[in-house]
Amino acid sequence: DGGITQSPKYLFRKEGQNVTLSCEQNLNHDAMYWYRQDPGQGLRLIYYSQIVNDFQKGDIAEGYSVSREKKESFPLTVTSAQKNPTAFYLCASNPGQRLGEQFFGPGTRLTVL
Amino acid sequence: SQQGEEDPQALSIQEGENATMNCSYKTSINNLQWYRQNSGRGLVHLILIRSNEREKHSGRLRVTLDTSKKSSSLLITASRAADTASYFCAPGGSQGNLIFGKGTKLSVKP
Repeated sequence: DGGITQSPKYLFRKEGQNVTLSCEQNLNHDAMYWYRQDPGQGLRLIYYSQIVNDFQKGDIAEGYSVSREKKESFPLTVTSAQKNPTAFYLCASNPGQRLGEQFFGPGTRLTVL
Repeated sequence: SQQGEEDPQALSIQEGENATMNCSYKTSINNLQWYRQNSGRGLVHLILIRSNEREKHSGRLRVTLDTSKKSSSLLITASRAADTASYFCAPGGSQGNLIFGKGTKLSVKP
């Protein structure tokens, strides 16, 4: 099956710890995106990558880091510098058209204890 | 801001009724997209309408776009309980990425 997967579905972290969220796609898409969603809110763009080995900050990149070493993978690290990391994190991809349809993963819910 | 703003924030209807959601935006766009999100899940793309189109249909969905008023509407006809979800518009302008609004939460009661 072609698609985009995120793991884990639920993640708990103690304050001060870094944590990495996984995002994998087998759609052969060039572009990948990370969004954060808070209750009753829209999606806010954290980072995006248009091509392997290249990525750009979105609107709320502070406290987050990413890598894009492989086309199919775009992991997001939530660092201890992110002051309010509890949220729902969504990964998306598209073939490369910046304003084209995006395909979303099922999301990871991160809770800081 | 290019962000879309959906209206109403919440909508509750009976099964079989039509549901209309509106989206307004502030800058010029290349296209506008609508997405659905079931509770606790990822978003699913519904429809994309280009700036030179005025209306588009997909099954029970009808989307209109009025670029002079900078607004779009999503109509779901003959709604079903399974249509219960949040619906987001995402205007796409030449300056950047898609920016999603806060959504309309639709509840369809059987």
